Amino acid sequence: EVQVLESGGGLVQPGGSLRLSCAASGFTFSRYAMSWVRQAPGKGLEWVSGISDSGGGTYYADSVKGRFTISRDKSKNTLYLQMNSLRAEDTAVYYCAKRSNSGYEFFDNWGQGTLVTVSS
Amino acid sequence: DIQMTQSPSTLSASVGDRVTITCRASQSISTWLAWYQQKPGKAPKLLIYKASSLASGVPSRFSGSGSGTEFTLTISSLQPDDFATYYCQQYNSYSLTFGQGTKVEIK
Repeated sequence: EVQVLESGGGLVQPGGSLRLSCAASGFTFSRYAMSWVRQAPGKGLEWVSGISDSGGGTYYADSVKGRFTISRDKSKNTLYLQMNSLRAEDTAVYYCAKRSNSGYEFFDNWGQGTLVTVSS
Repeated sequence: DIQMTQSPSTLSASVGDRVTITCRASQSISTWLAWYQQKPGKAPKLLIYKASSLASGVPSRFSGSGSGTEFTLTISSLQPDDFATYYCQQYNSYSLTFGQGTKVEIK
């Protein structure tokens, strides 16, 4: 069974840093691009960042460019999101999402999400 | 970035109703569009991809259509399990973008 499981969320002060992890299982992790998608409380979905299957290509929303870094470790089947210079508007549930089997950038498996709260 | 606009934002309907949600793109995205269903406190679930292809395990009462800049998601006969929020997503180009969502409520 395909599973992705996020961890690392929590409360952090404005300007602080946090690293999210997403452990993947049930599929060949190195063959799939992955993304992070977030959802602020009571709001809609916002794509944050994506990484190619090899890790050689990374993509970011303008709202996080220069502050967030996506990476992956194929030996650990794990996706990461390093978040620096956090702002109140980064408060959200962060979902890890697996790109579809078709090879296109929509998502056929999502984790349960991890909550990041940026507040003093 | 490509902007995605859904309408309506909220929709009140009864079990058995035919429901249609519209998603418009700010520029042509061919058929590179997906639809998701999300229930409170849960992760989104893929319903439709490539504008009209049904994802595995999704009931046939869900259907999608459209190309270019205008797309629709139709539920042919609304069931109790379908009360949720629905999002469209374009994957024509980065940055990937979602519509703002359409909440389907019980009338």
